[in-house]
Amino acid sequence: EDQVTQSPEALRLQEGESSSLNCSYTVSGLRGLFWYRQDPGKGPEFLFTLYSAGEEKEKERLKATLTKKESFLHITAPKPEDSATYLCAVQAYGQNFVFGPGTRLSVLP
Amino acid sequence: GAGVSQSPRYKVAKRGQDVALRCDPISGHVSLFWYQQALGQGPEFLTYFQNEAQLDKSGLPSDRFFAERPEGSVSTLKIQRTQQEDSAVYLCASSPLGQAAGGYGYTFGSGTRLTVV
Repeated sequence: EDQVTQSPEALRLQEGESSSLNCSYTVSGLRGLFWYRQDPGKGPEFLFTLYSAGEEKEKERLKATLTKKESFLHITAPKPEDSATYLCAVQAYGQNFVFGPGTRLSVLP
Repeated sequence: GAGVSQSPRYKVAKRGQDVALRCDPISGHVSLFWYQQALGQGPEFLTYFQNEAQLDKSGLPSDRFFAERPEGSVSTLKIQRTQQEDSAVYLCASSPLGQAAGGYGYTFGSGTRLTVV
C-alpha cells in the first residue's frame, strides 16, 4: 500500500530563517511526487512535480528535491506570506494520488 | 471559468439529511476527482471521472456516497443519510489529461465544508 508521511507536523520560523520540510514515501512504481501549498479555507495549489531521484525544481524561495525514499522542500529566507500547509503526494502508475498529512508552516515577521 | 468552482462553500446538515455538493471543473478538463479532507489531514481520494465515465470509485466510504458527471462537465457528489463522521471538507479537482497520462498537477477548487450536527 502506498504511504506518505511528512515531518515536522508543524514548523515555526522567523522571517529569513531557512529550513526544510520532509516527505517520506513508499510506493510501488513512482509515477510522480507532487508538492502542493494549501492556505486556510482554500484548496491545494500545485507547486511542483518530481519524477525521478536526483531531480530538483525551484520556484522563488522554494526548492524541491527527490531521492528514492523521500523528498525535501527547502525554503530559503522565508517571508510571512509563505505561511501555509505544504502537502506532499505520490502517484504510482495507474493509481490515484496519495497525500501526506501536511506540514503547517508559520513564518513570523 | 478560470478555476474549479464548488458550491456551496459551507453546508450544515442535520444527521440523517441528504446533501448534494456541486463541482464545476475548468472547461474542457477531461478528468475530475473528488477528495475528502478531514481537519488537519491530507486529502483522501473518493472517486474519479474521465469525461462522463466514473472509472474509479474505490475511495467512496460507503454506499451512502454517490457521484455523477452525466455530461462530462459538472459533477455532483451526493451523500445520503449523513452521519457525523461525514463532516469534512470535500474537494474537487480537475485535469486536462486522463489519469493514465499521470504526472500532471491537478487544479483544486476551494472545497465545500460539510458539518453534520
